[in-house]
Amino acid sequence: RKEVEQDPGPFNVPEGATVAFNCTYSNSASQSFFWYRQDCRKEPKLLMSVYSSGNEDGRFTAQLNRASQYISLLIRDSKLSDSATYLCVVMTGGFKTIFGAGTRLFVKA
Amino acid sequence: NAGVMQNPRHLVRRRGQEARLRCSPMKGHSHVYWYRQLPEEGLKFMVYLQKENIIDESGMPKERFSAEFPKEGPSILRIQQVVRGDSAAYFCASLQAREAEAFFGQGTRLTVV
Repeated sequence: RKEVEQDPGPFNVPEGATVAFNCTYSNSASQSFFWYRQDCRKEPKLLMSVYSSGNEDGRFTAQLNRASQYISLLIRDSKLSDSATYLCVVMTGGFKTIFGAGTRLFVKA
Repeated sequence: NAGVMQNPRHLVRRRGQEARLRCSPMKGHSHVYWYRQLPEEGLKFMVYLQKENIIDESGMPKERFSAEFPKEGPSILRIQQVVRGDSAAYFCASLQAREAEAFFGQGTRLTVV
């Protein structure tokens, strides 16, 4: 089983749609969780950290479920500019940072 | 405060040559990660270093690849006797402390011809 697994997609959605991504991780001792965004041929950039209580930043909501070992990202009112690959990131206690393979999102007009 | 600097941005090597990729972390950051990304694939962890120490190299191929992060100067990822399959984007990320955000460099795109 991979340490971090994501649905590769692609997700094709119209503008204004709500889309959700899930990510599962195998190491129950994982301590920190993030969502990164990567545009084509660019470096990944932090989108948001994921906290146990869940957190929201504008149209983006991230949640963590430790019992089931998954994190999620919800994007509301999708914009064309949201088209990118979304990477789930898990950091273990040994400081090893593991990236999921990413989920591709295409938002169309 | 300059971000993570990687150079060169693009590197072309013939099969059998050596490739040296450099990464200067953000000021104050003492943790460096190297990742490889093949075309149309996700990021794959290679190695995690702190100053003068390799903490985790479980993602590094056993042969031809090595990494260092000396007390002074950038972190270096070295690939000896490159093969076509080494063609990829190599990203470096640095962070200040545990559980912190990792900042990425713009990557080095290695092409082996």
